[in-house]
Amino acid sequence: AQSVTQPDIHITVSEGASLELRCNYSYGATPYLFWYVQSPGQGLQLLLKYFSGDTLVQGIKGFEAEFKRSQSSFNLRKPSVHWSDAAEYFCAVGARTSYDKVIFGPGTSLSVIP
Amino acid sequence: NAGVTQTPKFQVLKTGQSMTLQCAQDMNHEYMSWYRQDPGMGLRLIHYSVGAGITDQGEVPNGYNVSRSTTEDFPLRLLSAAPSQTSVYFCASRGGGVRLYEQYFGPGTRLTVT
Repeated sequence: AQSVTQPDIHITVSEGASLELRCNYSYGATPYLFWYVQSPGQGLQLLLKYFSGDTLVQGIKGFEAEFKRSQSSFNLRKPSVHWSDAAEYFCAVGARTSYDKVIFGPGTSLSVIP
Repeated sequence: NAGVTQTPKFQVLKTGQSMTLQCAQDMNHEYMSWYRQDPGMGLRLIHYSVGAGITDQGEVPNGYNVSRSTTEDFPLRLLSAAPSQTSVYFCASRGGGVRLYEQYFGPGTRLTVT
């Protein structure tokens, strides 16, 4: 079975600073990987996804993520954070052999200092 | 195109009461899921459906029932509410083919059981 860890429960950055949110997964084969964002009181929105091919994937709102098989990681990055990026971020992993089993990490809460 | 809708937005129940959380989607998606979100635990899959008339259990199915009589609707029933079911509930749907893993989430139902 697959699992996901997000080592940082909460991160605070200054507006304009760069951001990296960490995600590590456990799965016996190459998984499908996702990052979602949840603004307060809202549902989850898909930021980006990795299925195959180029290991650096671009998403919406200026985010990108890099799949590193050797480190079992899929870290989310943004070069310059905006105050509106303050939200909860979830990494998720899907098993290629079981399309319905998408497992979510515990989330990282991002605060942005003006 | 409303996407995924959920009702009610908020609900307070007494222990032992039953209720149904409603979920509907207008994207003709075959796959629908119910998750619960608890602090520090991310989203956990309760039940899912791969089409009308087909449902299966997720990670935490106990205390919940589902049915899928139409493609559009996927209600979640709490049989006898317990305080441990206090949570935020999200319904999600996704299409097939290359968009198989792109889940669309509803706005959530915040449930409190006293």
